[in-house]
Amino acid sequence: EAGVVQSPRYKIIEKKQPVAFWCNPISGHNTLYWYRQNLGQGPELLIRYENEEAVDDSQLPKDRFSAERLKGVDSTLKIQPAELGDSAVYLCASSAPLQETQYFGPGTRLLVL
Amino acid sequence: AQSVTQLDSQVPVFEEAPVELRCNYSSSVSVYLFWYVQYPNQGLQLLLKYLSGSTLVESINGFEAEFNKSQTSFHLRKPSVHISDTAEYFCAVSEWSNYQLIWGAGTKLIIKP
Repeated sequence: EAGVVQSPRYKIIEKKQPVAFWCNPISGHNTLYWYRQNLGQGPELLIRYENEEAVDDSQLPKDRFSAERLKGVDSTLKIQPAELGDSAVYLCASSAPLQETQYFGPGTRLLVL
Repeated sequence: AQSVTQLDSQVPVFEEAPVELRCNYSSSVSVYLFWYVQYPNQGLQLLLKYLSGSTLVESINGFEAEFNKSQTSFHLRKPSVHISDTAEYFCAVSEWSNYQLIWGAGTKLIIKP
């Protein structure tokens, strides 16, 4: 069974530029999560989807961050414009219906210069 | 509100020695408990989890953790560590009614040869 796929793995951009991350969850997993992980810290939830619906986006900085999951499968997280403080690892995770265990992708390491 | 505390940011230990990584949580409701491992430059992998039943849970690579409800702890142990166990270990908790994970700050396990 394929795991959670994320791309790109690494991204270096200059501040004020836009950036997008893509995630394909495990097949059959209807719940998808985006996390941000700063160096030396645990992951911080940005947004959670149940199918196409964003059911928890309370921690998403909506002035510059946006996310979509149009067909309830893969998802895109965008930052526009990026700031220096956005440098972090962006993790995508998914879980099966009514299951408590989340499975993580390898993450995208973002460096904003 | 839920919270997870991992008291040790780093734990150095000699190869083949035993190790314990501590995790304490606070919650007013019943919880699920998880340990995830993050190897250098990789995503988070589920190591083991406690959902219900036996309070002692084991992983396939020799780690074990014991749920102690009275002490609200879920410490991770291994009787003999190997150099390949070098990684960062994260404890996480979620409520039975809400699968949102609350994370500890992580503990880096450093294996000394």
